[in-house]
Amino acid sequence: AQRVTQPEKLLSVFKGAPVELKCNYSYSGSPELFWYVQYSRQRLQLLLRHISRESIKGFTADLNKGETSFHLKKPFAQEEDSAMYYCALSPNYGGATNKLIFGTGTLLAVQP
Amino acid sequence: AAGVIQSPRHLIKEKRETATLKCYPIPRHDTVYWYQQGPGQDPQFLISFYEKMQSDKGSIPDRFSAQQFSDYHSELNMSSLELGDSALYFCASSFGTNTGELFFGEGSRLTVL
Repeated sequence: AQRVTQPEKLLSVFKGAPVELKCNYSYSGSPELFWYVQYSRQRLQLLLRHISRESIKGFTADLNKGETSFHLKKPFAQEEDSAMYYCALSPNYGGATNKLIFGTGTLLAVQP
Repeated sequence: AAGVIQSPRHLIKEKRETATLKCYPIPRHDTVYWYQQGPGQDPQFLISFYEKMQSDKGSIPDRFSAQQFSDYHSELNMSSLELGDSALYFCASSFGTNTGELFFGEGSRLTVL
């Protein structure tokens, strides 16, 4: 079965502390993994994707196929990082559809 | 830049009534996706369309139907509404099916009383 698991509903850290939002997936093929973010009163938007191997707003995520994980990390959290973060998997990347399977989301709260 | 537009933003209906949600994708985007997000839940994929044809189907109830029109906008029709249909309905669009990035609308919040 295709599934994305985000074990933490809420992650609260202080400004300047490191952040790691966990994501594990279950998929038999080679998935495409994404992190989407939703800031307060804004629409859901793409933060980064694993194939890009880029750092966006200081965030990075590495796909670990052995552990089936795609954890999102940032060395120093900022208050403006406070948002809901969704890990997502595209099981048919390169195929006929681009649908995403989302995790339940982690609310990141960065305290001053 | 133009984004995905959804209407109405809020909708209140009684049980057993019908509702129609509309989605206008970003210009030149040819693929539309519908998601349902219940309270405290993750967004659940309902259905998608590519070039006006259904391209994938998820957990969409039989009471729901959708289509994509010639101008690429899409409508989600919901009949015999139930209390459990109360949710935030997101529409997303993309150009083609191989980009990996979906652009989301702000959602339509349906409340069934």
